[in-house]
Amino acid sequence: AQKITQTQPGMFVQEKEAVTLDCTYDTSDPSYGLFWYKQPSSGEMIFLIYQGSYDQQNATEGRYSLNFQKARKSANLVISASQLGDSAMYFCAMREASSYKLIFGSGTRLLVRP
Amino acid sequence: DTGVSQNPRHKITKRGQNVTFRCDPISEHNRLYWYRQTLGQGPEFLTYFQNEAQLEKSRLLSDRFSAERPKGSFSTLEIQRTEQGDSAMYLCASSSPRQGSDATNEKLFFGSGTQLSVL
Repeated sequence: AQKITQTQPGMFVQEKEAVTLDCTYDTSDPSYGLFWYKQPSSGEMIFLIYQGSYDQQNATEGRYSLNFQKARKSANLVISASQLGDSAMYFCAMREASSYKLIFGSGTRLLVRP
Repeated sequence: DTGVSQNPRHKITKRGQNVTFRCDPISEHNRLYWYRQTLGQGPEFLTYFQNEAQLEKSRLLSDRFSAERPKGSFSTLEIQRTEQGDSAMYLCASSSPRQGSDATNEKLFFGSGTQLSVL
């Protein structure tokens, strides 16, 4: 069964520094996609970055990059040069090719300190 | 692109009452999803529509829950005889498949949700 684990309930980072949010996953499907979403206090889920299971290179989107280690089944999100507006909940999610469900982890609350 | 719209933003109801939420997806999106999110947790999948057909339904969706998407446009989620355990944020999302690709890279666009409080 597909599963997403985020072991960090909360993280602090100093403004302008980089931070890594951890995510591990479990699936038996060889084809799957991994996503990170940001949820600010307003409640809306905002797509950040995507990594496919067959992608050879780590995904990058601006200040976001995904450290994809397939053998370890991990897909950590790296945020470089943190900004105050990065303070939010961050969710890792996965979709298998055999299902339309996007399964989420329990999230990490990030607080950026000035 | 006006985004995914959900109404109402907040709903307070008494236990035992029925409630209905509405979701208007992005206009060209033929896929629509409902999720439920409780405090401190990630969203949990409830159900999925492709056009007007409800193709997948979670076991979380008890008999008291029903979702519809007439004409494949907006969707409604109804909860009958609400219970305190139904208190949660109900999120709607929509997406559109890319030609020639599987669903793994399909990005979901979420609405701001409906916060339900059952007293």
